[in-house]
Amino acid sequence: AQTVTQSQPEMSVQEAETVTLSCTYDTSESDYYLFWYKQPPSRQMILVIRQEAYKQQNATENRFSVNFQKAAKSFSLKISDSQLGDAAMYFCAYRSDNDMRFGAGTRLTVKP
Amino acid sequence: DTEVTQTPKHLVMGMTNKKSLKCEQHMGHRAMYWYKQKAKKPPELMFVYSYEKLSINESVPSRFSPECPNSSLLNLHLHALQPEDSALYLCASSQGILSLPPGEQYFGPGTRLTVT
Repeated sequence: AQTVTQSQPEMSVQEAETVTLSCTYDTSESDYYLFWYKQPPSRQMILVIRQEAYKQQNATENRFSVNFQKAAKSFSLKISDSQLGDAAMYFCAYRSDNDMRFGAGTRLTVKP
Repeated sequence: DTEVTQTPKHLVMGMTNKKSLKCEQHMGHRAMYWYKQKAKKPPELMFVYSYEKLSINESVPSRFSPECPNSSLLNLHLHALQPEDSALYLCASSQGILSLPPGEQYFGPGTRLTVT
C-alpha cells in the first residue's frame, strides 16, 4: 500500500505571512494524483489544490501553490498571505486508480 | 451542483440497533466512497463503488454493509456496532476510477455516529 507522510503535526503562521506544509509519499506507480485537502473545525473536507503526476509544472490556485518533486516523492503546499480563515487541518492525499491514502494531517494555526 | 449530501448529521445508536447512513450526489460522478474518521486522525477508506459495483473493500467488518442503489445514492447499513465504531463517517464522490482519470473527490459534511 502507498504511504503518505506529513512530518509536521502542527504549524503556526502569522497573518499575512507565508507558510509551507510538507508531504512525502511512497509509490511504485507512475500514474497518480496528489491533493491537498483542508478540513476546518466544521469538519467538511475541502479540496485546496491538485497535481497530476505526469505534469511537471507546479499547480497554483490563488494564494496556494505546490512544490512537486516527483523524483523525491515530495509534494509541499505553500500558503501565501495567510488569512485567519486558513486555520484548519490540512491533509495531503495520494490517489491512483485503486487507492486513496491520506497523510496524518498538519494542524495550521494562523495568528492575528 | 457540486454538493454531496449526507443524512443524518448525527446518529446515536445502541449496539443492538440497525441503522443506515445515506449519501447523495447529483454531479454525474460514477465513483462513490465511504470513509471513517476518528478524532484528530485522517480519513480511512472503507469502501469504493465504481459504476454502482463494489470495487474496493478495505477489510471492513461485516457489521458495516454498503449499498449503491443507483449512481446517485450510496448507503451504509449498520448492525451490531461496537462503541469503538463511533466516528465521523464521510461520503465522497469523484468522476471515476479505473479507466477514467480519478479526479478529485468531493466530500459530504459527514455523519457523526455515536455507539452506546
